[in-house]
Amino acid sequence: NAGVTQTPKFRVLKTGQSMTLLCAQDMNHEYMYWYRQDPGMGLRLIHYSVGEGTTAKGEVPDGYNVSRLKKQNFLLGLESAAPSQTSVYFCASSYHRESNQPQHFGDGTRLSIL
Amino acid sequence: EDQVTQSPEALRLQEGESSSLNCSYTVSGLRGLFWYRQDPGKGPEFLFTLYSAGEEKEKERLKATLTKKESFLHITAPKPEDSATYLCAVRILDSWGKLQFGAGTQVVVTP
Repeated sequence: NAGVTQTPKFRVLKTGQSMTLLCAQDMNHEYMYWYRQDPGMGLRLIHYSVGEGTTAKGEVPDGYNVSRLKKQNFLLGLESAAPSQTSVYFCASSYHRESNQPQHFGDGTRLSIL
Repeated sequence: EDQVTQSPEALRLQEGESSSLNCSYTVSGLRGLFWYRQDPGKGPEFLFTLYSAGEEKEKERLKATLTKKESFLHITAPKPEDSATYLCAVRILDSWGKLQFGAGTQVVVTP
């Protein structure tokens, strides 16, 4: 049981380049989330999805887009990377909002923008 | 505005030296408070969920408690393998399951 898998684990980009981060979960969870983690600031929600084909903005959505074409996958895109987007990105998933179950996290993608 | 504050930012303990971490919160409609453990280079790993004031949960050397304004994570007789960053997060009513995280407490336990 892999849980939540993030691809790639590391990436270095140049300013202005684009890329897509992939999150896959095998727990049949309805809800999926993208966070970024920066030193001293904790985890901040970028976008989230409450089901296949639906997405919504979180706390820090600017500069990012997401898609949830399949229930098990949640993609995070950077259209034109900026140095301020250097961070560690975590994906998480959970059952529906009324569940007692916690969010389950992947091991992150470390992204550097030069 | 909803806020979650963890203290201290960092804690250095001798093996066997018990201590407590604090998570204070100001939210409208608490749906649950979550504690996670995060090791370097890894994602957060779930530890506990607390729902109502007075509730306590235990797991090995860790014990989490909850009041109306804060939660404590007590580490009893810690071992070096308890070294990690401990995160707390709150789930708010009608938030579509979203969590708001504190910045974490980094704990180092030396032999």
